[in-house]
Amino acid sequence: GDSVTQMEGPVTLSEEAFLTINCTYTATGYPSLFWYVQYPGEGLQLLLKATKADDKGSNKGFEATYRKETTSFHLEKGSVQVSDSAVYFCALSGPPYSSASKIIFGSGTRLSIRP
Amino acid sequence: EAGVAQSPRYKIIEKRQSVAFWCNPISGHATLYWYQQILGQGPKLLIQFQNNGVVDDSQLPKDRFSAERLKGVDSTLKIQPAKLEDSAVYLCASSSPMSKAGVGYNEQFFGPGTRLTVL
Repeated sequence: GDSVTQMEGPVTLSEEAFLTINCTYTATGYPSLFWYVQYPGEGLQLLLKATKADDKGSNKGFEATYRKETTSFHLEKGSVQVSDSAVYFCALSGPPYSSASKIIFGSGTRLSIRP
Repeated sequence: EAGVAQSPRYKIIEKRQSVAFWCNPISGHATLYWYQQILGQGPKLLIQFQNNGVVDDSQLPKDRFSAERLKGVDSTLKIQPAKLEDSAVYLCASSSPMSKAGVGYNEQFFGPGTRLTVL
């Protein structure tokens, strides 16, 4: 079945460092890809998305490109801040209004940023 | 626009007891999902509703878990009897309707979750 594999954490960086969190997927068809973020004490929020190959999703300085040839969707940010400390989940889903529309999540990567 | 509401936020019970969680999705959202998130893992789908019908309940442990969405709006998830391994956060999500099925992507909006501890 469909699955998502992401870089294990925790990841600890200093403020202003460059961030990469790796994510690869296995899926039949052409899924949509997502990064969700869970800040301490808060619910899951959609960070960014890409719905087809070569799409780049971006939000709050984070970017990820849908690479069909390598089945990857790596999350990057050029300069992280303390406020980016959170757990990040890579995820995929199939077409809306179908049994494949459920989201399949990776196991999450905890990111901690030192001031 | 109000988000997805869930209650209670926290629940502590002993094993073999029963517990119920409630979810009210965003108004107008036809699809509702219940996920289980065990500590240190990503959320896993338990059940998906389209209006008041079940689309996918393949991962729901039906010997102890049940869920309903009788009027196609709010939903209740029940565990009876609870086991230690049911300790987790239970997340409810709803998704926005699309004008054309199969077009676009499925953005789901998540509630704050209910943290269940089974002792």
